[in-house]
Amino acid sequence: GQNIDQPTEMTATEGAIVQINCTYQTSGFNGLFWYQQHAGEAPTFLSYNVLDGLEEKGRFSSFLSRSKGYSYLLLKELQMKDSASYLCAVRDGTGTALIFGKGTTLSVSS
Amino acid sequence: DTGVSQDPRHKITKRGQNVTFRCDPISEHNRLYWYRQTLGQGPEFLTYFQNEAQLEKSRLLSDRFSAERPKGSFSTLEIQRTEQGDSAMYLCASSPDRGPGYTFGSGTRLTVV
Repeated sequence: GQNIDQPTEMTATEGAIVQINCTYQTSGFNGLFWYQQHAGEAPTFLSYNVLDGLEEKGRFSSFLSRSKGYSYLLLKELQMKDSASYLCAVRDGTGTALIFGKGTTLSVSS
Repeated sequence: DTGVSQDPRHKITKRGQNVTFRCDPISEHNRLYWYRQTLGQGPEFLTYFQNEAQLEKSRLLSDRFSAERPKGSFSTLEIQRTEQGDSAMYLCASSPDRGPGYTFGSGTRLTVV
């Protein structure tokens, strides 16, 4: 079967660092995506990993270990506007569909 | 390019009516996808087009759902005889053949009353 697991909710304070974990079991792998989604809006692309290691992009970094079926999204210098749902998604073996987790709702407080 | 556009943004319809949504992908993207998202869930894949050919359909896509991409540009998703369980956000996405450029539109929120 196909399964993407991530925590349901996380809380953090402004200026802090937070790590959102994602584990996956899928039939095939063609890359892992992280998206940010504010309530009622479309998912917006944050990062993409296809090889093992760390990808850094400003305040956001994403890590992938294919052998462990594991990824994390690291958010630094948190801001109130980072309060959103963060979706982990794996592109399946056909290279077309994205299989999404249920999302992690992050609440940033002052 | 303004990204992936979807129309309408919101649709309220009575149970049993037919509805049609439109998606305009990023112009240089060959691939187009439809997803459905309900509250508290991640998006679920419905169907995929490579240019005008519909190459993959999920088991979620019942007989009441039909999608087209007649000239390999915009796409439509039609739901016939809507049911309350069809209430959801319908998301369109497009991508190039390879790489990370998988971009979502703003979605159409459907409410069936």
